[in-house]
Amino acid sequence: DVKVTQSSRYLVKRTGEKVFLECVQDMDHENMFWYRQDPGLGLRLIYFSYDVKMKEKGDIPEGYSVSREKKERFSLILESASTNQTSMYLCASSFVQTYEQYFGPGTRLTVT
Amino acid sequence: GEDVEQSLFLSVREGDSSVINCTYTDSSSTYLYWYKQEPGAGLQLLTYIFSNMDMKQDQRLTVLLNKKDKHLSLRIADTQTGDSAIYFCAEDGGYNKLIFGAGTRLAVHP
Repeated sequence: DVKVTQSSRYLVKRTGEKVFLECVQDMDHENMFWYRQDPGLGLRLIYFSYDVKMKEKGDIPEGYSVSREKKERFSLILESASTNQTSMYLCASSFVQTYEQYFGPGTRLTVT
Repeated sequence: GEDVEQSLFLSVREGDSSVINCTYTDSSSTYLYWYKQEPGAGLQLLTYIFSNMDMKQDQRLTVLLNKKDKHLSLRIADTQTGDSAIYFCAEDGGYNKLIFGAGTRLAVHP
């Protein structure tokens, strides 16, 4: 079974804090993705990575950065958290040859 | 631009059929997907259809694709309370990316 794990299910941070969200997959997938999910807006792609140290901006990269130092791990960084970044964050991974993505359980981040 | 549209809510009685509709804009999409998200969980791939197919059936699920109208639907037969979830339609957006709709929340009531 493919497993995608995320470091926290729930996280509460203060405005201005630096926030790290970690994602790990165990299927040797080349691609990894970070989405945010908001009611009525569905999933919006923040960043994705198709290889170690490679990253591409998605649709809403502003205020976020990512790091992929190892193939199995993809980190999302909020340099200075703001209240409009309160959301559910979902990580996913896939093989480079396919579009089927496997998702983690999500991290619900609240910024106060 | 690319956009995937779905209605936000659907309510059905237990035992009835549910039909969730989706429209997409990129006619070059090779695959179209349905993902399911149960409460408090991530998304799981439910089924997918290749763009040269009109229909795909998998147990209680039937996917219909109308390429001319860029319309995709998911029919769930004999809907059960365990089918209550959010259902996302997605199309391939190139470079192994998926473009998701906003999701349809299916509520099943007795």
